[in-house]
Amino acid sequence: DADVTQTPRNRITKTGKRIMLECSQTKGHDRMYWYRQDPGLGLRLIYYSFDVKDINKGEISDGYSVSRQAQAKFSLSLESAIPNQTALYFCATSEAGTKQFFGPGTRLTVL
Amino acid sequence: ILNVEQSPQSLHVQEGDSTNFTCSFPSSNFYALHWYRWETAKSPEALFVMTLNGDEKKKGRISATLNTKEGYSYLYIKGSQPEDSATYLCAQSDTGNQFYFGTGTSLTVIP
Repeated sequence: DADVTQTPRNRITKTGKRIMLECSQTKGHDRMYWYRQDPGLGLRLIYYSFDVKDINKGEISDGYSVSRQAQAKFSLSLESAIPNQTALYFCATSEAGTKQFFGPGTRLTVL
Repeated sequence: ILNVEQSPQSLHVQEGDSTNFTCSFPSSNFYALHWYRWETAKSPEALFVMTLNGDEKKKGRISATLNTKEGYSYLYIKGSQPEDSATYLCAQSDTGNQFYFGTGTSLTVIP
């Protein structure tokens, strides 16, 4: 079984819809991250959390919100999706000061 | 926000050739330099984490070096094979454990 899972893997939605992307991990890591990947721009950090009570904005948090429901779960929400949020979204986990482990990604298309 | 740059953007080499790529990063708040390998349709996988100036890491035919004083890291692949074809990402993590990724070097190894 994968250590970091993301659901859904693919999603097509319409402008203005609310959508939630979920991430779960079995690695026991405290730190979790949400990134988006756009062609030519690399991975950009949206939000990160160092424990259940700690949520921090990343480089591009506008238009997104997150919830850390438990150590193992970190959800990303788009309250009102817009087309420029079409991207590949990755969740990642790590222990302090170490490498990150990535989920398989969620491909989101906003029409 | 830290500006991590990678060069070249893409590279085509013949099977058996050795190659290398560069990652440049600012030295401010430096904690570690990470290299990831990202194959198409998969998620990034960590290759190396380096923290100290002069660090060298090796994994099979792939090795990496780190110069924190001048802010660069090199990734070397000896005797490239078609299965080495992937995008290679570098990232700097800072003392707050945020990760800043470069846009990657896309390597294609031609049989």
